[in-house]
Amino acid sequence: DADVTQTPRNRITKTGKRIMLECSQTKGHDRMYWYRQDPGLGLRLIYYSFDVKDINKGEISDGYSVSRQAQAKFSLSLESAIPNQTALYFCATSKNNQPQHFGDGTRLSIL
Amino acid sequence: KNEVEQSPQNLTAQEGEFITINCSYSVGISALHWLQQHPGGGIVSLFMLSSGKKKHGRLIATINIQEKHSSLHITASHPRDSAVYICAVEAGNQFYFGTGTSLTVIP
Repeated sequence: DADVTQTPRNRITKTGKRIMLECSQTKGHDRMYWYRQDPGLGLRLIYYSFDVKDINKGEISDGYSVSRQAQAKFSLSLESAIPNQTALYFCATSKNNQPQHFGDGTRLSIL
Repeated sequence: KNEVEQSPQNLTAQEGEFITINCSYSVGISALHWLQQHPGGGIVSLFMLSSGKKKHGRLIATINIQEKHSSLHITASHPRDSAVYICAVEAGNQFYFGTGTSLTVIP
């Protein structure tokens, strides 16, 4: 089983819909991150959390929200999806001063 | 404004060649990461370093903090090294990523 699991792996939806992407981990890491990847732009940080009660905005948080329901779970929500949120989304986890471990990604298309 | 710049963007090499990918950054950092992304999309961390040099198998990563520059070297390249290599820096609690170097190693 993967250490960092993202669901769904692929999602196609329509403009205006609410979407939730889930991330769970079995590594026992306290830090969790959500990124999006767009062609030609590289990965960009959306939100990060260093503990269950800790939520921080990243570089591009507008239009997104997150929930850290437990140490092992970190969800990303798009309250009202728009086409320019079409991207590949990655969840990652780490311990302090350690490399990040990435999930396999969620390919999200908004029509 | 790109906090992290990588070069080259694309690189094609013959099997066995020595490869160098460069990364320059413009912010103060606590650590620099080299990542590998295969065509299927999965991302794997290769190195995390804050000074000096690290080696893992045929891969070597170096960093010069004063010059704000890092290099990733691949010795005796192999077709299975074909992937996108991404440089990322930690600046405070933020992460900034380069756009990646797409490497193709031809048999």
